Amino acid sequence: SSGLTQPSSLSVSPGRTASITCSGDVLARQYGSWYQQKPGQAPVLVMYKDIERPSGIPDRFSGSSSGTTVTLIIRDVQAEDEADYYCQSADITGDYFFGTGTRVTV
Amino acid sequence: QVTLKESGPVLVKPTETLTLTCSVSGVPFRNARMGVSWIRQAPGKALEWLANIFPDDTKYYRESLKSRVAISRDTSRSQVVLTMTTVDPADTATYYCAVDYFDPSGAVGYFEYWGQGILVIVSS
Repeated sequence: SSGLTQPSSLSVSPGRTASITCSGDVLARQYGSWYQQKPGQAPVLVMYKDIERPSGIPDRFSGSSSGTTVTLIIRDVQAEDEADYYCQSADITGDYFFGTGTRVTV
Repeated sequence: QVTLKESGPVLVKPTETLTLTCSVSGVPFRNARMGVSWIRQAPGKALEWLANIFPDDTKYYRESLKSRVAISRDTSRSQVVLTMTTVDPADTATYYCAVDYFDPSGAVGYFEYWGQGILVIVSS
């Protein structure tokens, strides 16, 4: 299966750590990326190649990978981190997949 | 500064053809691995990749929409155009264009920059 599965929601208190998982067969052979989307806004890339953080993204955001699962970790969660988060990957055939999305409530 | 801006109709009738334009500026298309994708998001739903195009004119399409979608580019105008035929109310969504970095040998593909999106409603 090429689908990417995420938990639908996650609630975390300010200052705590949030871990969002994304599972799918494609992740065993391809890198994963993560996007943050706030209401009414376009998604923003917050992690790529599993663990690489784009410039401008706080170092509170980090990533990890194991087998068919990638994880986005947000340390010291702030109110501004409240958003929907989507994982994504691309197959070697040029097919792209997004996860089901996780709503993080702070 | 990188900017992408989507333009097109906000209301389309069922069975009509939808044409959307992405105007791109400030993007350092460093190599053949940097292209432009179209992605959509139905209200309250997850993101869905539709198609992309690369500087060498390589194109990829979402399998389920291959028969209805076409992507092209006008290099002189720095624009990428998405055409979708025979639209249906299920095609109602916000449509985004995004800069796409795809390296199949490097096992990676992701969207580095995004436009603000355009909401397209399909209704009679």
